[in-house]
Amino acid sequence: DTGVSQDPRHKITKRGQNVTFRCDPISEHNRLYWYRQTLGQGPEFLTYFQNEAQLEKSRLLSDRFSAERPKGSFSTLEIQRTEQGDSAMYLCASSLMGDTQYFGPGTRLTVL
Amino acid sequence: SQQGEEDPQALSIQEGENATMNCSYKTSINNLQWYRQNSGRGLVHLILIRSNEREKHSGRLRVTLDTSKKSSSLLITASRAADTASYFCATDADNQGGKLIFGQGTELSVKP
Repeated sequence: DTGVSQDPRHKITKRGQNVTFRCDPISEHNRLYWYRQTLGQGPEFLTYFQNEAQLEKSRLLSDRFSAERPKGSFSTLEIQRTEQGDSAMYLCASSLMGDTQYFGPGTRLTVL
Repeated sequence: SQQGEEDPQALSIQEGENATMNCSYKTSINNLQWYRQNSGRGLVHLILIRSNEREKHSGRLRVTLDTSKKSSSLLITASRAADTASYFCATDADNQGGKLIFGQGTELSVKP
C-alpha cells in the first residue's frame, strides 16, 4: 500500500492525558498537512510542513498541540492535557508541492 | 474559517438519476478539489480543477468552474447506491501554501 497511513485509527483517552498520532505520507511527497474534522463539518486546517519545516499553524492549534516532522518523512501530532473538545477525527494529507492532496484514513480521538 | 459554501446540504435521489452539487467560495484560488467521504472514513480525492480550466471530466463525474462567479459544480451521472457519501469541495487559495479550505459538504443518498 503506497497511500497515506495513520496510526492509531482510534484512540480513547481520559481528559488530561497526552496523546500522540503518527502520519506516514506518500514517500515522494514533500508537503504534509494536518486537519481536524468534527461531526457534520468539513475538515479544518491545523498545520503543514514542507519537508521538515513547519510553515504555518492555524490559530485552532492551541499551545497544547504540537506537530513535528523531524526528517521530512513521517509526522507526529501530540495533544497535551486533552479536553473533551479535542474529540474529533484527525486527518493527515500529503502532496507534491501544491498539487492534489491525498488523505489518510484518519485517527478518531474520543476524550472521556 | 470555511471558505466554501455547499448547496444543497443534503440530496436524496434514486439510482440512475443524476446528482448535482454546488460550491461557492470567497477568494481567488489556484485550484478547487472535490472529495468524497464515506461515513467515518478518510477523504477520497475525486477531481482537481485549476483556476484556468472551466470544465473537467472523470468517468461519471463532471466538474465545472466559474471563477467570475466564484462557484463550482459537481455532476455525478447515472448514480449508483455506492455513490452514497458526503461530498466536499475544497479550495487552494492564492498565497496560502496549498492548505485546503473545505465547505461543510453535501450529504448524498442514492436509493436503490
